[in-house]
Amino acid sequence: DAGVIQSPRHEVTEMGQEVTLRCKPISGHDYLFWYRQTMMRGLELLIYFNNNVPIDDSGMPEDRFSAKMPNASFSTLKIQPSEPRDSAVYFCASSPPWRTYEQYFGPGTRLTVT
Amino acid sequence: QQQVKQSPQSLIVQKGGISIINCAYENTAFDYFPWYQQFPGKGPALLIAIRPDVSEKKEGRFTISFNKSAKQFSLHIMDSQPGDSATYFCAASKGGPGSARQLTFGSGTQLTVLP
Repeated sequence: DAGVIQSPRHEVTEMGQEVTLRCKPISGHDYLFWYRQTMMRGLELLIYFNNNVPIDDSGMPEDRFSAKMPNASFSTLKIQPSEPRDSAVYFCASSPPWRTYEQYFGPGTRLTVT
Repeated sequence: QQQVKQSPQSLIVQKGGISIINCAYENTAFDYFPWYQQFPGKGPALLIAIRPDVSEKKEGRFTISFNKSAKQFSLHIMDSQPGDSATYFCAASKGGPGSARQLTFGSGTQLTVLP
């Protein structure tokens, strides 16, 4: 079975550019989470969705960050405009409805903003 | 506010030894305590988890010990192997039936098992 799929795996962009990260959750999972991992702050929850609806976006750092989930198999995290401090590894995770306490993480997208 | 404190930051053990990683939490509403294992370039993967109604859970070489009164829990890796070398995160979460489990992660422990 395919796990959580994220693309791209690596992204290098210049400050001020728009960045879009993509995620495909595991089929049948109805919760989707976006995390950010940095050395300084560790793993932080940014936002999560249930049945494509954003439930809690209190972890989104600024208005420059936005996330969407147009359907059950696709989500995006967008940063516009990007800044060097956004450099981090961004993870997407999903949970099945029958085991909401288990989260399955994707391989992550390493973002570097120069 | 760091709600889950993890120690040590790094740990080096010899092959065959016991690795012990400790975590402490503050929020008594937490009711699920998983450990995640992360290899370089990979996402965290659920390793083992415990609920506060038991004091210990064992799966193979991995054991969680839980002390509810002290609000502490720990991961023990018996007979540590070089393949166990990874970063380990403790986490805590709360939530009702059918609701999402928002994980609060510890800061991570980088484990190195020497051959």
